[in-house]
Amino acid sequence: DIVMTQTPLSLSVTPGQPASISCKSSQSLLHSNGKTYLYWFLQKPGQPPQLLIYEVSNRFSGVPDRFSGSGSGTDFTLKISRVEAEDVGVYYCMHSIQLPYTFGQGTKLEIK
Amino acid sequence: EVQLLESGGGLVQPGGSLRLSCTASGFTFSSYAMSWVRQAPGKGLEWVSVFSNIGGSTYYADSVKGRFTISRDNSKNTLYLQMNSLRAEDTATYYCAKDLGGTPDIWGQGTMVTVSS
Repeated sequence: DIVMTQTPLSLSVTPGQPASISCKSSQSLLHSNGKTYLYWFLQKPGQPPQLLIYEVSNRFSGVPDRFSGSGSGTDFTLKISRVEAEDVGVYYCMHSIQLPYTFGQGTKLEIK
Repeated sequence: EVQLLESGGGLVQPGGSLRLSCTASGFTFSSYAMSWVRQAPGKGLEWVSVFSNIGGSTYYADSVKGRFTISRDNSKNTLYLQMNSLRAEDTATYYCAKDLGGTPDIWGQGTMVTVSS
């Protein structure tokens, strides 16, 4: 199984400041079809996860443009350009290049 | 509006069985693969199973293989998860999710399963 490792596991950010989360996979997520199967989710308190970013850098419908994803191969990053209070929760990366899909441990974002 | 509504969770003794249901609306259910993902209390996310919309293929996490069965009834827009031989470690909130090209894009609110004597 592919292991997804996120860092940091928690971060506390002042509103208006940027935030960055790293996700590293134990194998390349680049498929022979040219797509990279790396996704980012946010789980707000008491809610199910919601898709933020698909295939490394594509924002899902309705996701604010302060969220951006980047990376390639095995190293990926989620960036929030200016953190807002509504961004609190746990962020997960996930791959789907092969079964079983696996998630990172999660990164808890808090507001200072 | 795309919606997924899970039901069927509850308290069950170790070794017991439960069947979860997920009723979909707002999209053409038969056109999409559907997944189950679970989350133990205070823990992270674990993918459990997926039912492909093409060919009826099903896949399971090793942790549930041989005990859980995923199925779907496209005429009822409903996804199921039959869970047998339940263990304490199966205690979790179970989410169903619509699959978008390999990732869950829309999730239900979840149903809680507690395995305890």
